Amino acid sequence: KQEVTQIPAALSVPEGENLVLNCSFTDSAIYNLQWFRQDPGKGLTSLLLIQSSQREQTSGRLNASLDKSSGRSTLYIAASQPGDSATYLCAVEDSSYKLIFGSGTRLLVRP
Amino acid sequence: DAGVIQSPRHEVTEMGQEVTLRCKPISGHNSLFWYRQTMMRGLELLIYFNNNVPIDDSGMPEDRFSAKMPNASFSTLKIQPSEPRDSAVYFCASSYRGSHYGYTFGSGTRLTVV
Repeated sequence: KQEVTQIPAALSVPEGENLVLNCSFTDSAIYNLQWFRQDPGKGLTSLLLIQSSQREQTSGRLNASLDKSSGRSTLYIAASQPGDSATYLCAVEDSSYKLIFGSGTRLLVRP
Repeated sequence: DAGVIQSPRHEVTEMGQEVTLRCKPISGHNSLFWYRQTMMRGLELLIYFNNNVPIDDSGMPEDRFSAKMPNASFSTLKIQPSEPRDSAVYFCASSYRGSHYGYTFGSGTRLTVV
């Protein structure tokens, strides 16, 4: 059974810092890995999707990497801003096309 | 496309009442998913459909929950009878199975059972 773990559970940083969020999964037989952002009381917004054959994806200040063999992904946020404060969720699409979520990292960027 | 559309956005109901949540997936997507989000358990997959057929309902908590997808553009999740522990945010998501475009989520329905 696929399990997804995110570390840390919460993170507080001053504005301008570069930061890394970690995601690990137990079964390397994944189809895609997707990072989402969720603001309080809101839905999920897709940030980046990495196909199983890819190593990384970039969008603006965000960079996500994937090491399928070790079951790890990282989300790198450069020059963090208060507007980046949200919960970041990692999800893997397993071989049966189900999306399995981690419990998220709650990020606070302090002005 | 307007994205995945869920209704209602908020639902408050009394224990024992029937609750029906609705979802319209993105046109052209062939897979639809119902998730439940709570503080204690995070995001849990309840059921998913492919080409309108239920593929995996192992996440449905009990017989009080049922889901249907009568056509490619509409799905319902029904709880009968509802209980306070069903209070959560219910999300619907759709995707094109086998593609690398990922999942798109609706805005969710916040259900409160009193």
